[in-house]
Amino acid sequence: DTAVSQTPKYLVTQMGNDKSIKCEQNLGHDTMYWYKQDSKKFLKIMFSYNNKELIINETVPNRFSPKSPDKAHLNLHINSLELGDSAVYFCASSQAARGGGVRNQPQHFGDGTRLSIL
Amino acid sequence: GENVEQHPSTLSVQEGDSAVIKCTYSDSASNYFPWYKQELGKRPQLIIDIRSNVGEKKDQRIAVTLNKTAKHFSLHITETQPEDSAVYFCAASFSAGGTSYGKLTFGQGTILTVHP
Repeated sequence: DTAVSQTPKYLVTQMGNDKSIKCEQNLGHDTMYWYKQDSKKFLKIMFSYNNKELIINETVPNRFSPKSPDKAHLNLHINSLELGDSAVYFCASSQAARGGGVRNQPQHFGDGTRLSIL
Repeated sequence: GENVEQHPSTLSVQEGDSAVIKCTYSDSASNYFPWYKQELGKRPQLIIDIRSNVGEKKDQRIAVTLNKTAKHFSLHITETQPEDSAVYFCAASFSAGGTSYGKLTFGQGTILTVHP
């Protein structure tokens, strides 16, 4: 069973269109993330949700809107797609640690969605 | 914010040799340093991580060292094999009391090629 699954795997669309990418994790994690990997392979965080609450929003254009209906799902909707949005988008999840002496937990990535804008 | 520099950008070795990839970070508060391996067209996969309370961690052929004073950490792969060929990413993150949300800042990646 895939732990973090994204759909679709490939997305080819025209400039100006609106599209969504879905992500689901079955690991029981509390925290989910969206990353963008550009053509030079650079990985950059876009958003993070903890238990349906937005906690990281990294200077991303407001054409990008994440939505988390529950802690196992984090979707990404993109309005008015531009050429520069072409990239691979990765969803990831981790178990949020709480309490004193809190520690970061490993993040598990999905297989990615390759978005190509024509 | 945190900035992570990774070197070299490409590394070519012969099978059986060792490979070393180095990263430096800017935020002295960072305390979690994972390494990810990404094969062509695949997802990044965690291969090893280290926390700031230890200086070295080893898992079979892979080891990571951390120098907090100098703010750098390194990945060491011994007895390299062709299947080690991939892009390797270092990352740094900070957590403190309360809930940690794990914002990872990644290095630029190193393309490792192991020649048979």
